[in-house]
Amino acid sequence: EIVLTQSPATLSLSPGERATLSCRASQSVTNYLGWYQQKPGQAPRLLIYDGTTRATGIPARFSGSGSGTDFTLTISSLEPEDSAVYYCQQRSNWPPLTFGGGTKVEIK
Amino acid sequence: EVQLVESGGGLVQPGGSLRLSCAASGFTFNNYWMSWVRQAPGKGLEWVANIKRDGSEKYYVDSVKGRFTISRDNAKNSLYLQMNSLRVDDTAVYYCAKDPAAAPYSLYYFDNWGQGTLVTVSA
Repeated sequence: EIVLTQSPATLSLSPGERATLSCRASQSVTNYLGWYQQKPGQAPRLLIYDGTTRATGIPARFSGSGSGTDFTLTISSLEPEDSAVYYCQQRSNWPPLTFGGGTKVEIK
Repeated sequence: EVQLVESGGGLVQPGGSLRLSCAASGFTFNNYWMSWVRQAPGKGLEWVANIKRDGSEKYYVDSVKGRFTISRDNAKNSLYLQMNSLRVDDTAVYYCAKDPAAAPYSLYYFDNWGQGTLVTVSA
């Protein structure tokens, strides 16, 4: 089973700042990694898939990068509505499809 | 507009059974892989099971193998999860989720989710 480790656990930044979230895989997932955003009381929303491809309707301030075992989700200029928990998910070697433990982004 | 509406959750004793349903609309249901994903209270996301477009392939996380069964009825645009021998650690919100890619492709991510149904396993 591929284990995904996300860091940091919590990120506290001000509006307009750049957020950098990390996801590290226990073995290579090539580029088969996605990112989700989940706000309290809501279902997750797909942001990025296959490492770098933005899902439909996702603003350009969200971008993904990386390959192999190290991936990054960047939010270029934080908006207040970006306060959420962000999860990564791999589909390289399954079953099982696995998620990381999440990074909470707080907006000051 | 894609809609996924789960139902069937509730309180059940350890060892009991529940059947979850997910009613799909707004897309051609039989063109997509479908999954169940759960989230324990205050915890992260865990993929539970998925099923191929025609129901011919089904996959499970190890912790539910032999206890849970995923199925679908394409004529009714519905997805199901039969949960038997429920344990306290199965307590979670269960989401129905759709693959982003239509047949013949599959991406094994989740681009549309229901609102979730809460399953509580407790004596």
